[in-house]
Amino acid sequence: EVQLVESGGGLVQPGGSLRLSCVASGFNFRSYWMSWVRQAPGKGLEWVANMRQDGGEKDYVDSVKGRFTISRDNAKNSLYVQMNSLRAEDTAVYYCARLRGGVWHFDLWGRGTLVTVSS
Amino acid sequence: QSALTQSASVSGSPGQSITISCTGTSSDIGTYNLVSWYQHHPGKAPKLLIYEADKRPSGLSNRFSGSKSGSTASLTISGLQAEDEADYYCCSYAGYSTSVIFGGGTKLTVL
Repeated sequence: EVQLVESGGGLVQPGGSLRLSCVASGFNFRSYWMSWVRQAPGKGLEWVANMRQDGGEKDYVDSVKGRFTISRDNAKNSLYVQMNSLRAEDTAVYYCARLRGGVWHFDLWGRGTLVTVSS
Repeated sequence: QSALTQSASVSGSPGQSITISCTGTSSDIGTYNLVSWYQHHPGKAPKLLIYEADKRPSGLSNRFSGSKSGSTASLTISGLQAEDEADYYCCSYAGYSTSVIFGGGTKLTVL
């Protein structure tokens, strides 16, 4: 089955760190750009970060630059995001998504993992 | 860059058609034909409905259609069904430094 499954969410204090993972199955993971998209409670979707197939290009939304790092392990069919210096406004469901590079749409999504930043 | 503008809610009766609009600027929708639409049932994975403004993924019902004029994109759902009740998001490429931006979402209620 073609799917993405996220994990690693939880409750973390402001200033803390968390690493999210996304495992892909059913398709050739190393052939696709991958992304993280988040949805804060009661809010809309927000793109967070992209990564090219070979890891050679990474892009971030301004609000997470310098705090979040996207990475991938093609041998493990896995995408990651290391989130440091977390803030209350980072509280959201984080979705892993497959990005069709060049035409810029997300054609496969996971069900998300909830990150809550609170003391 | 600001989010694309969508109306907060829309409603329709079963069998009817509804249209959701998404307004951007000359920096996103007005320049690039790279508009996509997503359906999101809370608690589930979002689903791609439309890409490149008017293309449907293989296997998707032709009840869903997309269009674009200037800096505004639209999603039309015809023959409304109860299972169409969900949140709908537009998204556009916005250039190299910005990547993509989403609309604020539109909640569709099927009466």
